[in-house]
Amino acid sequence: DVKVTQSSRYLVKRTGEKVFLECVQDMDHENMFWYRQDPGLGLRLIYFSYDVKMKEKGDIPEGYSVSREKKERFSLILESASTNQTSMYLCASSLSGTGLTNEKLFFGSGTQLSVL
Amino acid sequence: GDSVTQMEGPVTLSEEAFLTINCTYTATGYPSLFWYVQYPGEGLQLLLKATKADDKGSNKGFEATYRKETTSFHLEKGSVQVSDSAVYFCALSDWTGNQFYFGTGTSLTVIP
Repeated sequence: DVKVTQSSRYLVKRTGEKVFLECVQDMDHENMFWYRQDPGLGLRLIYFSYDVKMKEKGDIPEGYSVSREKKERFSLILESASTNQTSMYLCASSLSGTGLTNEKLFFGSGTQLSVL
Repeated sequence: GDSVTQMEGPVTLSEEAFLTINCTYTATGYPSLFWYVQYPGEGLQLLLKATKADDKGSNKGFEATYRKETTSFHLEKGSVQVSDSAVYFCALSDWTGNQFYFGTGTSLTVIP
């Protein structure tokens, strides 16, 4: 069965800490995404990557960075966590779109991050 | 730019009631349309999809028809069950298939 695995289900951090959220997929997908999910706001794209060592900003990249050193792993980094980054973080992956057949996203179970 | 608008929740229904969750979209080119479902404590999973106009996606008794003339992809189910309680997200992927846009989600609670 295909899988997107996020390293932590729940995480509690202090303001100012550096936080790493890890995501691994076993489907050999080219595309990987990080979203945050907040009540009433739905899913908002933070960063995405179409290939190893490649990254693109999404809609809300401020305060975040990412790393994709290997195809299967996409890490989200909060350089200095703040309370407004308390949220559910969802990682997703997909095959590279061909423009002819649109691919679907596979999601991890999410990491609920609380910044105190 | 591309976007998705879906009806606000929360929605509460009795078991066996009819469900409609409205979704409209704005897109250039020919997007694919999706409904994702998120059960409590889990990530999102694909419920159904449609890739071109007039296509009907269906799964687990849920249906949605890709209507280009009204730019809509409404989710329907004839008889909901308690186990359908979840958050439902409408989404589209752009013409490249590489970018995805989500609605804000609609929370559904089905009571016995």
